[in-house]
Amino acid sequence: DGGITQSPKYLFRKEGQNVTLSCEQNLNHDAMYWYRQDPGQGLRLIYYSQIVNDFQKGDIAEGYSVSREKKESFPLTVTSAQKNPTAFYLCASSMGDRGNEQFFGPGTRLTVL
Amino acid sequence: AQSVTQLGSHVSVSEGALVLLRCNYSSSVPPYLFWYVQYPNQGLQLLLKYTTGATLVKGINGFEAEFKKSETSFHLTKPSAHMSDAAEYFCAVRSTNAGKSTFGDGTTLTVKP
Repeated sequence: DGGITQSPKYLFRKEGQNVTLSCEQNLNHDAMYWYRQDPGQGLRLIYYSQIVNDFQKGDIAEGYSVSREKKESFPLTVTSAQKNPTAFYLCASSMGDRGNEQFFGPGTRLTVL
Repeated sequence: AQSVTQLGSHVSVSEGALVLLRCNYSSSVPPYLFWYVQYPNQGLQLLLKYTTGATLVKGINGFEAEFKKSETSFHLTKPSAHMSDAAEYFCAVRSTNAGKSTFGDGTTLTVKP
């Protein structure tokens, strides 16, 4: 069954700790994305990758880091430099052609205490 | 540059009434346009998309949207609302020369019995 998985569903961390959110897809998609969602602000792009071993900053990359060592995996690290990390994080993937839609994972809700 | 404006952060309709969710976009080149739906604490799911060809696009769950270039709009409609349509709806644009999509802030649809 093809799709995107994100783990964990809920994550709690203490302030000042780095945390890594997992995103895996078995759709054979070239492109992968990370979004942050806050109430009333829609989706804001953190990082995206169009090919393995390459990624670009999105609109709100400060305080986040990513890697794309494998086509199916695109983990996101929320570092201690991110001032307000509590949010709902969504991972997505798409085929390379720009007219193709994005497929989204179920999301990870991160709460920093 | 590309941008999206969704008019109305909250829309409320009665069951059986017409649903109209508004989306206006800005793009310097021909755009690809998408509507997604999100249920609470879940990822987004594609409703429909416009790439090329017919400007009236039909999607899942009885939704449709019309691409109007002269009005730079892509409004989402459904003739008769169901209780199950209550969710948040996002319009997105991707210019044909862009590496990423831009999402609107979302419209929360409430359906009253």
